[in-house]
Amino acid sequence: GAGVSQSPRYKVAKRGQDVALRCDPISGHVSLFWYQQALGQGPEFLTYFQNEAQLDKSGLPSDRFFAERPEGSVSTLKIQRTQQEDSAVYLCASSLDARPNEKLFFGSGTQLSVL
Amino acid sequence: KQEVTQIPAALSVPEGENLVLNCSFTDSAIYNLQWFRQDPGKGLTSLLLIQSSQREQTSGRLNASLDKSSGRSTLYIAASQPGDSATYLCAVGRGDTNAGKSTFGDGTTLTVKP
Repeated sequence: GAGVSQSPRYKVAKRGQDVALRCDPISGHVSLFWYQQALGQGPEFLTYFQNEAQLDKSGLPSDRFFAERPEGSVSTLKIQRTQQEDSAVYLCASSLDARPNEKLFFGSGTQLSVL
Repeated sequence: KQEVTQIPAALSVPEGENLVLNCSFTDSAIYNLQWFRQDPGKGLTSLLLIQSSQREQTSGRLNASLDKSSGRSTLYIAASQPGDSATYLCAVGRGDTNAGKSTFGDGTTLTVKP
């Protein structure tokens, strides 16, 4: 695709529900990142994939958060038993390869509201 | 732990003015520093990336500088336009990781008035 695509654009969940957020990176991009952005703050790193391998998940806030990229392209971020503090914008970014100075391309994000 | 601070949090200027946005970081052992632009309800767009061995990068009306020893970076915008109105974020890449695993500041929200 032309850019990084995320869906849904908005998600409202009742506390305790499970949610799944989807990211379609730019075709052929090796690296994929998930970030969490609270209102008025900068993004915070959640997890990183290189192809299908999840190389770093140190930013996931709890074991309720799970991410996968089974075929090295589309990625899903799953949040189980959502809590109000999970409300944020979840951003996905991809880059062409794994070199440290590769340019990042971000999607428009999924805004999650937990009631 | 790396901490990134951006001052001011918000800035309003008349069209045509030159302006400087500031970014400071606490750990000088960085791999790179990126400046991003974020429009309301949108993702981030990379503007400039400065590798740790570089002192500055330029793109059009934008110039970013990096002083690792003092833990500072500036983004200079020349001849500002209303279309420059957005939130500008800086992100510092750690010394041992992919650029994507960066520490972000909270941004400076710029408003350029016609």
